[in-house]
Amino acid sequence: DADVTQTPRNRITKTGKRIMLECSQTKGHDRMYWYRQDPGLGLRLIYYSFDVKDINKGEISDGYSVSRQAQAKFSLSLESAIPNQTALYFCATSEVHNYGYTFGSGTRLTVV
Amino acid sequence: GQNIDQPTEMTATEGAIVQINCTYQTSGFNGLFWYQQHAGEAPTFLSYNVLDGLEEKGRFSSFLSRSKGYSYLLLKELQMKDSASYLCAVRAPSGGYQKVTFGTGTKLQVIP
Repeated sequence: DADVTQTPRNRITKTGKRIMLECSQTKGHDRMYWYRQDPGLGLRLIYYSFDVKDINKGEISDGYSVSRQAQAKFSLSLESAIPNQTALYFCATSEVHNYGYTFGSGTRLTVV
Repeated sequence: GQNIDQPTEMTATEGAIVQINCTYQTSGFNGLFWYQQHAGEAPTFLSYNVLDGLEEKGRFSSFLSRSKGYSYLLLKELQMKDSASYLCAVRAPSGGYQKVTFGTGTKLQVIP
């Protein structure tokens, strides 16, 4: 099994719909992150969490919300999806003192 | 703010050596990462430099000059499987958080 699992892998949804992307990890890492990747823009941070009670906005949090249900689970919600949220979404984890990220396989989201 | 520049695309021949450059301008600096990302897949961690100099890891080496705001990733004995995007990312303090900012990536094509 993958260390960081994202579901679904692909999703097509309509404008205005609520959608949740889920991430779970078996790494035992405290820190979890949500990024989106768009062609020509690189990876941009949406939200991050350093433990279950710690949630922080990243650089592009508008239109998104998150929930850290447990140390191993971090979900991203789009309350009312819009077409410019079409992107590849990655969940990542890291240890406190090991700075490299472990990424999930990604969720390709299309909003029509 | 933080700005990271790397070439958009490069082409190199199987068996050769290629150097992928990254320049950055940041307010503060606490390390530079290189990640490899195959098309449609998750980024995977390659290297982390926090001090000046060269770090060698098998066929891959990474160099850092903090005074010049410059890093490069050196790939030796290129193989077809090295065709991927290579992401440079810089870690720097931002509002009490060690923020990691990604460049847009360099797409490397290895040709026979």
